[in-house]
Amino acid sequence: SQKIEQNSEALNIQEGKTATLTCNYTNYSPAYLQWYRQDPGRGPVFLLLIRENEKEKRKERLKVTFDTTLKQSLFHITASQPADSATYLCALDGGIYNQGGKLIFGQGTELSVKP
Amino acid sequence: DARVTQTPRHKVTEMGQEVTMRCQPILGHNTVFWYRQTMMQGLELLAYFRNRAPLDDSGMPKDRFSAEMPDATLATLKIQPSEPRDSAVYFCATDRGLGNEQFFGPGTRLTVL
Repeated sequence: SQKIEQNSEALNIQEGKTATLTCNYTNYSPAYLQWYRQDPGRGPVFLLLIRENEKEKRKERLKVTFDTTLKQSLFHITASQPADSATYLCALDGGIYNQGGKLIFGQGTELSVKP
Repeated sequence: DARVTQTPRHKVTEMGQEVTMRCQPILGHNTVFWYRQTMMQGLELLAYFRNRAPLDDSGMPKDRFSAEMPDATLATLKIQPSEPRDSAVYFCATDRGLGNEQFFGPGTRLTVL
């Protein structure tokens, strides 16, 4: 079965710096990969989707890369702000036997941006 | 402002009691997912439906859990009998179809004593 690993430790950075979060997977390569943000006491909120034939995707201060050779996605937040503090989850599609858009989620990385 | 709604938001119950959680999908979304989130296991998929038909419930302990979609506006997750290890936050999420973003509800925080 698919295994997903995100930065196991919480990430603490200074405001204004770039935060880089890692998502590594084993086994099959997903057709697409998604990133979500989760705040305490709330459900995850979708941020970005990147497909297997795309190397990079951007949205405002967010950038996602997808390297199917390394089996890795990197998620960058540039010019980080305290409001970016949250847990970030990567999610992969369920693979060749996937039906109906099933996602497998990583454990998440907690990001803390200090002023 | 379309959003997924879940009820109840919080539930405290005694071991052995039946628990029913409800989800109202976003209008027009044809796929409904049930997840469970704990500190130890993270976000786990329990079951999901497309066009009200169950597609996969392999993540669910079937001896005590059941998921249904009686109509397009309601999905339910039932636990009977509940056990302390079922304590978690249960999320419902919906999407418009394969490969699209999922929209999560606020979750039901379940505590089984």
